[in-house]
Amino acid sequence: RKEVEQDPGPFNVPEGATVAFNCTYSNSASQSFFWYRQDCRKEPKLLMSVYSSGNEDGRFTAQLNRASQYISLLIRDSKLSDSATYLCVVNDPGSQGNLIFGKGTKLSVKP
Amino acid sequence: EAGVAQSPRYKIIEKRQSVAFWCNPISGHATLYWYQQILGQGPKLLIQFQNNGVVDDSQLPKDRFSAERLKGVDSTLKIQPAKLEDSAVYLCASSLPGAGETQYFGPGTRLLVL
Repeated sequence: RKEVEQDPGPFNVPEGATVAFNCTYSNSASQSFFWYRQDCRKEPKLLMSVYSSGNEDGRFTAQLNRASQYISLLIRDSKLSDSATYLCVVNDPGSQGNLIFGKGTKLSVKP
Repeated sequence: EAGVAQSPRYKIIEKRQSVAFWCNPISGHATLYWYQQILGQGPKLLIQFQNNGVVDDSQLPKDRFSAERLKGVDSTLKIQPAKLEDSAVYLCASSLPGAGETQYFGPGTRLLVL
């Protein structure tokens, strides 16, 4: 079965905190990995792609462990505006660009 | 650049009624997707088009759902007849062709079936 599993959440953290989200995927043949962000009652938007060597975009760091089929997202110095649901996404191998979304982890950053 | 457009934004119908959703993708995006997102879940792919052809409709409940993209640009998704469990947000996304291309989502249509 094609699955992406995420931390259930919700995560409630104070401003300035560091928070980490984890995700596992079931199909070892997946080759593309992403984190999407979805604000309340809005559409998902690409936050960042995840590369094998790990990658960083400002306060956001994504890591991939292919052997463990594990993806992580680290947010440093949390801002109120980081409050959203974070969706772990992997490609469906054998399809033509289809994506499999996790259920998402809700983050709430408090003042 | 204009994003993915969808209409209507909200729809309330009674069970067994029919409903249709419309999507206009980003100009030049050959690939179009329809997703269903139930509250508390991630988006689930219903159907993928490449130009006007269906690439993947394996998760589309074909007894009640249908979709078309006749001219390879905008698309419609129809539900007939609707069931209570169809209450969800229906998201349209588009991308350039090819695996790994970023998908851009429209604002979605929020459907409530009573």
